[in-house]
Amino acid sequence: DVKVTQSSRYLVKRTGEKVFLECVQDMDHENMFWYRQDPGLGLRLIYFSYDVKMKEKGDIPEGYSVSREKKERFSLILESASTNQTSMYLCASSLAGTGKHFGPGTRLTVT
Amino acid sequence: ELKVEQNPLFLSMQEGKNYTIYCNYSTTSDRLYWYRQDPGKSLESLFVLLSNGAVKQEGRLMASLDTKARLSTLHITAAVHDLSATYFCAVAPSGGSNYKLTFGKGTLLTVNP
Repeated sequence: DVKVTQSSRYLVKRTGEKVFLECVQDMDHENMFWYRQDPGLGLRLIYFSYDVKMKEKGDIPEGYSVSREKKERFSLILESASTNQTSMYLCASSLAGTGKHFGPGTRLTVT
Repeated sequence: ELKVEQNPLFLSMQEGKNYTIYCNYSTTSDRLYWYRQDPGKSLESLFVLLSNGAVKQEGRLMASLDTKARLSTLHITAAVHDLSATYFCAVAPSGGSNYKLTFGKGTLLTVNP
């Protein structure tokens, strides 16, 4: 079974802090994704990566950056957290052309 | 821009009844996914539908795809309480990769005893 793990289930940060969310997958998947999930808005793609050091913007990249230095690890960075970034963050991985495997999610609160 | 609409967004049903969730999408696609999400949990993959007329079944859930109508359905047969969850469909544009899956807003299903 594919396992996708995220570094924290719950996180509370202050406005202006730099925040790192880490995601690790153990199945050698090329593709990794970061989504945020908000009530009434569904899942929205922030960034994805199709290879080490490769990344592409999703639908809502503003205020976020990512890093993929190793194939199994994909990090989401909030350079200066703001209250409107309070959300559930979901990481996912997949092989090309297949369905995504999602991690357990990180519920981030920015105060 | 690919748009995905699910309906209903909220569904309350009694155990033992049947119902269908609909997923419409706006541009051509040849790959559609259904996911389940329990409260406070992540998304779990249910079905992948890859071609027109595809039908997949698992237990009391059956999913189908009509690419000409740009419609997928998730049919629930004889619902039980354990099926209570939020169900999402997600669509990949035709001819492309599935990088940019577009998700519907989800259907919150509550099955009452």
